[in-house]
Amino acid sequence: GQNIDQPTEMTATEGAIVQINCTYQTSGFNGLFWYQQHAGEAPTFLSYNVLDGLEEKGRFSSFLSRSKGYSYLLLKELQMKDSASYLCASMDSNYQLIWGAGTKLIIKP
Amino acid sequence: GAVVSQHPSWVICKSGTSVKIECRSLDFQATTMFWYRQFPKQSLMLMATSNEGSKATYEQGVEKDKFLINHASLTLSTLTVTSAHPEDSSFYICSARDREHEQFFGPGTRLTVL
Repeated sequence: GQNIDQPTEMTATEGAIVQINCTYQTSGFNGLFWYQQHAGEAPTFLSYNVLDGLEEKGRFSSFLSRSKGYSYLLLKELQMKDSASYLCASMDSNYQLIWGAGTKLIIKP
Repeated sequence: GAVVSQHPSWVICKSGTSVKIECRSLDFQATTMFWYRQFPKQSLMLMATSNEGSKATYEQGVEKDKFLINHASLTLSTLTVTSAHPEDSSFYICSARDREHEQFFGPGTRLTVL
């Protein structure tokens, strides 16, 4: 079956670093996406990995290991506005996104 | 990045009425559009996949006669919630996929059925 696992909730301190992990099992693989979703809003695209390794984009980085079915999103220099849900999604062989349940990130001052 | 619009942003209706939500890709052609529903504090739930010019493919448990989807052109898909009831109150989000298989989300429509 197809399955995406990520933690339900994480808490971090403003200015710190947090890593949100995601493991996936899908029928075929065409890439791993991370989206950010603030409460009451639609998801916004953060990153896309299809090759192994780390992709850095400002304060956010995303890592992929295809052999392990594993990805993480790394957020540095956390700001209060980073409080949101972070959704991991794997694209299967039909180019369909299989969604994780999301990780709610709480940033404390 | 590509832009997807949704209309209306929010709607309040009486139980038993029908509500139509539009999803448009503004600067690209979307051969495939997706309709999601999200209840408070829950993840996105895919309702159906809509391909231009053909019937939508509904996920298990989604009533196709209740949630009518029309994808008449490469830039427009509509979702009609027929005979809406309070339990249909939710956040409905569409997304459109471009030829590079990247998905872009609309801003969502909040439906409240009284």
